[in-house]
Amino acid sequence: DAKTTQPPSMDCAEGRAANLPCNHSTISGNEYVYWYRQIHSQGPQYIIHGLKNNETNEMASLIITEDRKSSTLILPHATLRDTAVYYCIARDDKIIFGKGTRLHILP
Amino acid sequence: EPEVTQTPSHQVTQMGQEVILRCVPISNHLYFYWYRQILGQKVEFLVSFYNNEISEKSEIFDDQFSVERPDGSNFTLKIRSTKLEDSAMYFCASSKRGVQETQYFGPGTRLLVL
Repeated sequence: DAKTTQPPSMDCAEGRAANLPCNHSTISGNEYVYWYRQIHSQGPQYIIHGLKNNETNEMASLIITEDRKSSTLILPHATLRDTAVYYCIARDDKIIFGKGTRLHILP
Repeated sequence: EPEVTQTPSHQVTQMGQEVILRCVPISNHLYFYWYRQILGQKVEFLVSFYNNEISEKSEIFDDQFSVERPDGSNFTLKIRSTKLEDSAMYFCASSKRGVQETQYFGPGTRLLVL
């Protein structure tokens, strides 16, 4: 799995869009970009994934650059319940978790 | 929406005792996994399991660990002789058709070895 780089922490005001960046400059052609989050000590929760195209679901949007070397997870209207550690993973088999980004949603 | 479930949610045991952690994967999923997370550290892959066999295991998954699918619904992780350093959250996950597919995680079992 390709290594990913994420900022260790970010703040976002409640109700605003949270934009979480991720660099994966060594990603290979068959590796997907996955995003999970972990709220406190709960199990990692799947958010979204993509290969080349931008993706959107009920939780978030994923924007992948054309060269696939970086991506951004967008939570369109952050709430206090979105406070969590967000993991960006470039993978084609088992998941290797990094340290992620600790997102704080500020009231 | 189908979920992975795990029991117990908490387990306290004495060092040297055997523990069995149980998981019920999502019903039509064929691939199963165990991960662990020591307090304050990263989530670490332990083992993947398919067709009643281990398909991959990490260096952490040594001889004291074993996995089993004893029936059509449960997937278990056994730790034969627990050590203090086995204290961690243990997460089960499952995916539908392959390790490259989306893995869905359970809520975890918090294991404390005294």
